[in-house]
Amino acid sequence: GAGVSQSPRYKVAKRGQDVALRCDPISGHVSLFWYQQALGQGPEFLTYFQNEAQLDKSGLPSDRFFAERPEGSVSTLKIQRTQQEDSAVYLCASSLVPDTQYFGPGTRLTVL
Amino acid sequence: LAKTTQPISMDSYEGQEVNITCSHNNIATNDYITWYQQFPSQGPRFIIQGYKTKVTNEVASLFIPADRKSSTLSLPRVSLSDTAVYYCLVGDVANNAGNMLTFGGGTRLMVKP
Repeated sequence: GAGVSQSPRYKVAKRGQDVALRCDPISGHVSLFWYQQALGQGPEFLTYFQNEAQLDKSGLPSDRFFAERPEGSVSTLKIQRTQQEDSAVYLCASSLVPDTQYFGPGTRLTVL
Repeated sequence: LAKTTQPISMDSYEGQEVNITCSHNNIATNDYITWYQQFPSQGPRFIIQGYKTKVTNEVASLFIPADRKSSTLSLPRVSLSDTAVYYCLVGDVANNAGNMLTFGGGTRLMVKP
């Protein structure tokens, strides 16, 4: 378990449902990032944590998106009242400060 | 953050050397150039990073001319498993702890037998 892990790997939600996506960063990594990747495009930044502090959430597309990292390790990205446009792969990355970001495999969210 | 421009796609054959060039005309003095590789259903993976001249590791080489307005990722003797999307990024990695990565569209490399 040396890498970043994410769960679930796949999530199907009906429009209007809430979802929670989990990220387990590499142990000891202070920085944690969330990205959203639409099909055929590069990842786009959502939010950034340094330990438990959310220092940048400028990329969150709406107030339906919420992220937390209460103990400075595991992080959860929550999307409330999901919409079809939320369908994407959600990637988590962690790093030492500052250093190379290591990405997890992502969670593919499909909103029907 | 400096914007990057790279070819949308490239084709190659096994055993060939592949060079992917990225343009970053407004790169800043403190910016580094970083390349990531992404396979389907996986997150991006760091390949190589450089500031100027040439950097080489076990996976690739990175060539950066003196004006730093472009860079070239060189993959020696590619194999089918090198088929992936390659992203070029620039940013002040060393000094910005909250350095979010800004990805462009990347270059889709297809290696054929």
